[in-house]
Amino acid sequence: ILNVEQSPQSLHVQEGDSTNFTCSFPSSNFYALHWYRWETAKSPEALFVMTLNGDEKKKGRISATLNTKEGYSYLYIKGSQPEDSATYLCAFLQGNTGKLIFGQGTTLQVKP
Amino acid sequence: EADIYQTPRYLVIGTGKKITLECSQTMGHDKMYWYQQDPGMELHLIHYSYGVNSTEKGDLSSESTVSRIRTEHFPLTLESARPSHTSQYLCASSASGQYNQPQHFGDGTRLSIL
Repeated sequence: ILNVEQSPQSLHVQEGDSTNFTCSFPSSNFYALHWYRWETAKSPEALFVMTLNGDEKKKGRISATLNTKEGYSYLYIKGSQPEDSATYLCAFLQGNTGKLIFGQGTTLQVKP
Repeated sequence: EADIYQTPRYLVIGTGKKITLECSQTMGHDKMYWYQQDPGMELHLIHYSYGVNSTEKGDLSSESTVSRIRTEHFPLTLESARPSHTSQYLCASSASGQYNQPQHFGDGTRLSIL
């Protein structure tokens, strides 16, 4: 059974703080790792799809790194804003099937 | 801007009823997926399709069924709803191709069976 673990489960920070969370996934048979942001009452939105070891992706104040050999990815948010409050999901692509295995998510709350 | 639509958003219904959750996408994506999420838990894949007339069961066993008669439409049906089916159901789609294709999600249906 493939397992994707995310930590921490939840995080409360002040506006302006930088933060990061972790996604751990199986290190064998790697194809891709996805990050999604899921705001309350909205649909999950794709942030990054990472495919190469050492990959670093950036979107505004959000960036992600990937280590496929040891099976982890970090998501960083620089200078958190209240609008960053959401649940951040990572998902491991199972083989080349298109099937994603999701972690439980990290719920971020940014206080003004 | 949503290109994948789910209806209804919320449904409260009695035990034993037949339910169909609708999902449509306008992106021409071949791949479509249904996920189920219970509160505080992960999204679990219950059905997927790689194209018209193709449907497969996902990793989480489900009593629901799906059909894919048209590329854009992937409805999910529960023949006889039970309280254990109470959950959130999310539909998604993705383009075919290499491994770097993200999935696009609908807003979900929150289903409550009394």
